[in-house]
Order: sequence, then structure tokens, then C-alpha cells
Amino acid sequence: QKEVEQNSGPLSVPEGAIASLNCTYSDRGSQSFFWYRQYSGKSPELIMFIYSNGDKEDGRFTAQLNKASQYVSLLIRDSQPSDSATYLCAVDTGNQFYFGTGTSLTVIP
Amino acid sequence: GAGVSQSPSNKVTEKGKDVELRCDPISGHTALYWYRQRLGQGLEFLIYFQGNSAPDKSGLPSDRFSAERTGESVSTLTIQRTQQEDSAVYLCASSRDKIQPQHFGDGTRLSIL
Repeated sequence: QKEVEQNSGPLSVPEGAIASLNCTYSDRGSQSFFWYRQYSGKSPELIMFIYSNGDKEDGRFTAQLNKASQYVSLLIRDSQPSDSATYLCAVDTGNQFYFGTGTSLTVIP
Repeated sequence: GAGVSQSPSNKVTEKGKDVELRCDPISGHTALYWYRQRLGQGLEFLIYFQGNSAPDKSGLPSDRFSAERTGESVSTLTIQRTQQEDSAVYLCASSRDKIQPQHFGDGTRLSIL
């Protein structure tokens, strides 16, 4: 079992819709959770991080964390074509930092 | 600049040669990470530094790979006797401390002929 699992996609949503990206992790003791966006040929850039159960909102982005179920999700509201990228979930277990393989998102104009 | 700086941005070398990749983290960031990303693949953790120490070397794929960090600043990743499977983008990231978000450099694209 991988430390961090993501659906590789591709996920396609129409412009203006909500995109929902999900991630599960295996280490129940994990404390810190991150979402990165990576455009093709570019390095990852941080979108959001979350440490506590519940929701954290930043503009059009909402991160949701459920430690009991060991999943973290990212919602993108009012999706734009510029949101088309690969979204990487990352988890810090306290011992090591793990990235998922990413979910490819395409927002269709 | 204010971000993580990596050099060279591109490196092409012949199989069997040694290469050295450099990373300048954001000033004041104590944690520094190296990752490898093959084409179309996810990030593969290589090594992590806290200050100048590397408590976790478990990700280094073979003894041909080594890394060091000096002055709690610059880090170098060295690959000896390069093989074609070493071709990838090598990404460096730094963070204020271990639990803080990581900020990535633009990477070094390594091509082994």
C-alpha cells in the first residue's frame, strides 16, 4: 500500500464547475497535509496546507481534512481553464514527506 | 532572488560521467529536500536535510547517489557513474522547518546520453 494515494485521473470538468480532488493516506499519525499544483514542465507550487480536521478556505480553493477516515480533499470552485494542471497531495508523517502521484485536471472552456 | 535556486537548469552528459547538481534554498529555511521526477511520473523522495544533517537517506536509489549540505545553506546532489535511468528532473525544495510547506526550485533537467 502506498503512503499517499490519489486517483490519477484525468478528471475533466466544465468551466465554472466545482472540481473535487481526493487523496488518502496510510499513516494515521500524519500531521501535516499539503496540496501542490504542477503545470506541465514546471515545478510544483504550493496551493494550500491544512493541519486540523475540517475545512480551510482560501479564495476558490477549499481543503478538507478527515483524520478519522484518513483522507484529504481539495475543492476548486468556479473552475477556470488556467486550473488545468496536475494536483499533488503531500503528507508529512513526522518521519518522512510523501507525495501522491497526482491527479490530472482538465477544465474545459 | 527570494525563491529556491537550482543550477544548472539543464545538464546533458554521457553515461558513466559524474554530475553535481546544486540547490540554494530560501534564506533561513532549515529543511531542504531533494526529489527526482521522471517524465510523466510523480515525485520520488531522495533525501532530506535538517540543517546540515541528513536524518533520512532512505530514498537515495543507490550508492552512486550522495548529497551534502554546508552552512545550513547550499546543497549539492552528486551522481557518480551516471546511467541512462538517471535521466529525470531533479527538484530541490526548502521549508522554514520540517513541518512547514515546501517551496520548490525550477529543477535541473538531467539527460544521460
